[in-house]
This record gives sequence, structure tokens and C-alpha cells, in this order.
Amino acid sequence: DTAVSQTPKYLVTQMGNDKSIKCEQNLGHDTMYWYKQDSKKFLKIMFSYNNKELIINETVPNRFSPKSPDKAHLNLHINSLELGDSAVYFCASSQHETGWVYGYTFGSGTRLTVV
Amino acid sequence: ILNVEQSPQSLHVQEGDSTNFTCSFPSSNFYALHWYRWETAKSPEALFVMTLNGDEKKKGRISATLNTKEGYSYLYIKGSQPEDSATYLCAFRMDSSYKLIFGSGTRLLVRP
Repeated sequence: DTAVSQTPKYLVTQMGNDKSIKCEQNLGHDTMYWYKQDSKKFLKIMFSYNNKELIINETVPNRFSPKSPDKAHLNLHINSLELGDSAVYFCASSQHETGWVYGYTFGSGTRLTVV
Repeated sequence: ILNVEQSPQSLHVQEGDSTNFTCSFPSSNFYALHWYRWETAKSPEALFVMTLNGDEKKKGRISATLNTKEGYSYLYIKGSQPEDSATYLCAFRMDSSYKLIFGSGTRLLVRP
């Protein structure tokens, strides 16, 4: 049973399209995150939700919109895709009270390629 | 701007060698320092979360130390094995914020 699962694993799409990446965790965690792996391989935080409330909203284009229908799901919707959006996007989750002991659990990533 | 720096960027060692890497982070408003192991084509896996100055943690042949006053952490691998080949990431957490700021990682390759 995968703890944090992202779909799709690979996404190739044309510029200008709108796409979504889904993330689900079955760990009972209360906090979920979206990270983007940039061109220098850094993992950069984009958004975080705690109990369905947006708590981190970094400086990302407003074409990116997260949605958390419940604690176990955090989706990322991207409008009007641009070439520069090509990257690997990682979802992660943690339990706020115990994240300082166990760390974050990551999904396996979604490789987005915009052509 | 908060920077987390890791060195070296990459490291090639022979099987059986012991090795260590460094993570430097801001020494003010420290809350926690995470270490992750990231194998190619997999997702990062948590190794350690360290919160106290002077903390030392160990998991098998891997151990880590923490100095929050000077802002650094060392990760040690004793007797490296080919299966230790991975990128080792550290991440800094400030105050009680939810945000983890990652370094770019040290890529370790252990030759048989």
C-alpha cells in the first residue's frame, strides 16, 4: 500500500493547456505539501495545507492553484501551462505534532513536460 | 533569504570507505533539521529529524550530529556499501513553521 501516491507519474502536455496532478495519502496525516524540483535539483515548497486550510502559499504564479477536498487529498491544478513549468512535482505529508520526530513522507513525483 | 548549503555536491568512494557530508543552515530561529535519503527513481525517505543542539542520531551504519549554535550538521556513513549510493538531502525548519527548506543534496556513489 503506497503511503503517498501521486497521479499521473508522467504528464506530457502542450503549452496553454490546463492540467491537474492528484495526491492522496493514507497515513492519517493532517498536513500535505507540494514541492517543485527546480532546474538545479532543489526541492522548493509551493503550497501546504493543514486540515484543509492553506498555511503555506509561496510566491508561485497564480496559474497554480492547490485544492484540498479533505485531509487525505491535495491536488495541484495548473492553468495555461508554460514551457518553464516543466519540472518534477512532489507531494508530501506529515503529522504536525510528530513531524519533528518522523519527518515528511514523499510521493514518487510527477514529471511534467510542457511542449 | 534562507539558504541551506550542502557539501560536497558529489562524492565517489570505494566500498568499505567511511565518508561524511556537511549541511550548513541559518543558526537563528532554529526548529529542526531533517536528513533524507533519495535513491534514483524513488522518493526521498526520512533518515533523521534532529532538534536539539548536540543531538546525535544513528541508524545502522549512518549517523548524524547537530550543532545549532554554529549552524551545521554532519552525516556519517561507516563502511559504505553500493546500496548506500543515493542523494542525501538536508532540510532546515525555522521556528514552528511548516516549511522545510532543502539543500541541493550530496550525491554519493559507492563503487564495489
